[in-house]
Amino acid sequence: GQNIDQPTEMTATEGAIVQINCTYQTSGFNGLFWYQQHAGEAPTFLSYNVLDGLEEKGRFSSFLSRSKGYSYLLLKELQMKDSASYLCAAMDSNYQLIWGAGTKLIIKP
Amino acid sequence: KAGVTQTPRYLIKTRGQQVTLSCSPISGHRSVSWYQQTPGQGLQFLFEYFSETQRNKGNFPGRFSGRQFSNSRSEMNVSTLELGDSALYLCASSTGLADVETQYFGPGTRLLVL
Repeated sequence: GQNIDQPTEMTATEGAIVQINCTYQTSGFNGLFWYQQHAGEAPTFLSYNVLDGLEEKGRFSSFLSRSKGYSYLLLKELQMKDSASYLCAAMDSNYQLIWGAGTKLIIKP
Repeated sequence: KAGVTQTPRYLIKTRGQQVTLSCSPISGHRSVSWYQQTPGQGLQFLFEYFSETQRNKGNFPGRFSGRQFSNSRSEMNVSTLELGDSALYLCASSTGLADVETQYFGPGTRLLVL
């Protein structure tokens, strides 16, 4: 079957760095998405990786290893507004998104 | 550009009733996808509509149905509501013209079934 795993909850300190991991098993692979979802709001797009390696976008970076079925989202210089759920989604061979349950990130001052 | 809008934002129904949710995509987007989100579960794909035709369908019972109008607005209907249908229902829009595209989500409709 198809499956996405990510931690349920993580806690980090303001100004620090946090890495949110995501492992996936899909029938075929056409890339991996990360979305951010603040409580009560719409998920918003953060990044898309289809090739191995690290993509940096400001304070956020996303990494992909296709051979390991693994991705992570790296958040630097954490701010209180980064408190949110982070959703990982892998696209399978039919271009369907398979979603993880999301990681709730709590930032403490 | 206006974002994806969903109405209503909150809804309370009782078991056995039916409900209709509405989604207006970003102007120019022709694809609308619907998802169910419950605590502890990933987004579960319901169906996708493109140019008034259902293009993809997830593994939900026939009680869940949808349609899309010529202006790309979409509606989702759930008949004979069950307690387990309580969830946040999200819709997402995209142009629908590429296999890999960013989806833009609406704020969702939170449905509570009593």
